[in-house]
Amino acid sequence: DQQVKQNSPSLSVQEGRISILNCDYTNSMFDYFLWYKKYPAEGPTFLISISSIKDKNEDGRFTVFLNKSAKHLSLHIVPSQPGDSAVYFCAASRGFGNEKLTFGTGTRLTIIP
Amino acid sequence: EADIYQTPRYLVIGTGKKITLECSQTMGHDKMYWYQQDPGMELHLIHYSYGVNSTEKGDLSSESTVSRIRTEHFPLTLESARPSHTSQYLCASSDTTKFFNNSPLHFGNGTRLTVT
Repeated sequence: DQQVKQNSPSLSVQEGRISILNCDYTNSMFDYFLWYKKYPAEGPTFLISISSIKDKNEDGRFTVFLNKSAKHLSLHIVPSQPGDSAVYFCAASRGFGNEKLTFGTGTRLTIIP
Repeated sequence: EADIYQTPRYLVIGTGKKITLECSQTMGHDKMYWYQQDPGMELHLIHYSYGVNSTEKGDLSSESTVSRIRTEHFPLTLESARPSHTSQYLCASSDTTKFFNNSPLHFGNGTRLTVT
């Protein structure tokens, strides 16, 4: 049973516009959420995180929103740049410890120049 | 320059061979992890280590084994490779000595294993 779902396998966005990547989860006990970004032939790199006590966290062009009642989080990238083209993984955990992380299947974001 | 190194990057090997995937990190991180990922699928944790002489199994059952004799080194071994082991293997580390919450994972570039 997949507890973290990224229902859009791919997304194309025009350069300069907003990219919105979505993630749904089923386990209401999850209390920490992260986004990782992965370029081809490289390992994932940490992008941004949010704990369940917040509903928004911002870091430069990247903002993560958490809607606990809907069990939904989203990553907003504004403005989108060609270097943002990558696969984005959503991950969630219950409590501290990366060994408790559950990953989604990823969304491939393509920024069109 | 990468702080966590995995070798080899690609490996094609025949059924029944013994293989070791190497992973080393230069950051002094206490925790290390091995993930397995098939194309288009989520990352699954197969092994992790809290520190030297500590190894634990992850969520996904794996026939591989790991060891942690040195802080910086966390190799993964398959005694007898099979086609079902074909996958990408990602090593990661994190520093939990300085952070009170989840320290982000630092991943290596992975080893893509193909067993024929």
